[in-house]
Amino acid sequence: QQQVKQSPQSLIVQKGGISIINCAYENTAFDYFPWYQQFPGKGPALLIAIRPDVSEKKEGRFTISFNKSAKQFSLHIMDSQPGDSATYFCAASMTGSGNTGKLIFGQGTTLQVKP
Amino acid sequence: ETGVTQSPTHLIKTRGQQVTLRCSSQSGHNTVSWYQQALGQGPQFIFQYYREEENGRGNFPPRFSGLQFPNYSSELNVNALELDDSALYLCASSFVGRSEQYFGPGTRLTVT
Repeated sequence: QQQVKQSPQSLIVQKGGISIINCAYENTAFDYFPWYQQFPGKGPALLIAIRPDVSEKKEGRFTISFNKSAKQFSLHIMDSQPGDSATYFCAASMTGSGNTGKLIFGQGTTLQVKP
Repeated sequence: ETGVTQSPTHLIKTRGQQVTLRCSSQSGHNTVSWYQQALGQGPQFIFQYYREEENGRGNFPPRFSGLQFPNYSSELNVNALELDDSALYLCASSFVGRSEQYFGPGTRLTVT
């Protein structure tokens, strides 16, 4: 119940295309869903996050879509650029009183954007 | 605003040895969490420190221990190193009551 399942494992997209990464969770107590971007040899960088009371959140070229009933959420990268080539992780946590807010991460998606 | 920093960047140890990794929180953050990231995997939660006390622990044995200091910096100590401890160790800082966690660059530990 603590797992977050992420797909696909790898993704190749042409420059200017849309990259879509999906995640699914089981624990309905999760109330915070961030996405992280990680370049080789670097730590994960917080990209965008959403809470279950919102179905969509957009920041620049990055959009999270959230489906509470299906217990799924996805990251859409519009107008993908070669500089977006990185590994992307979805995560989930419980942030209410008494919780540590520990992040449960998906397995990661390696995105390659071809010029 | 200073980001999360970690030291050392890389470390090579022998099985059975002990290691100490260090983390400085982002300015204004009072909570530190440690994660282990094996190659090709997502980070896994080790433990969290708040007010200099352990505030939650993941599925890691007691030979993984930590400290938090009054300036909110933190240490991760691993005793009796095993080959499977080879990983990237990440520190993340946050402010209590806030959900966002910000990661440092990590320490790459290799156990031979």
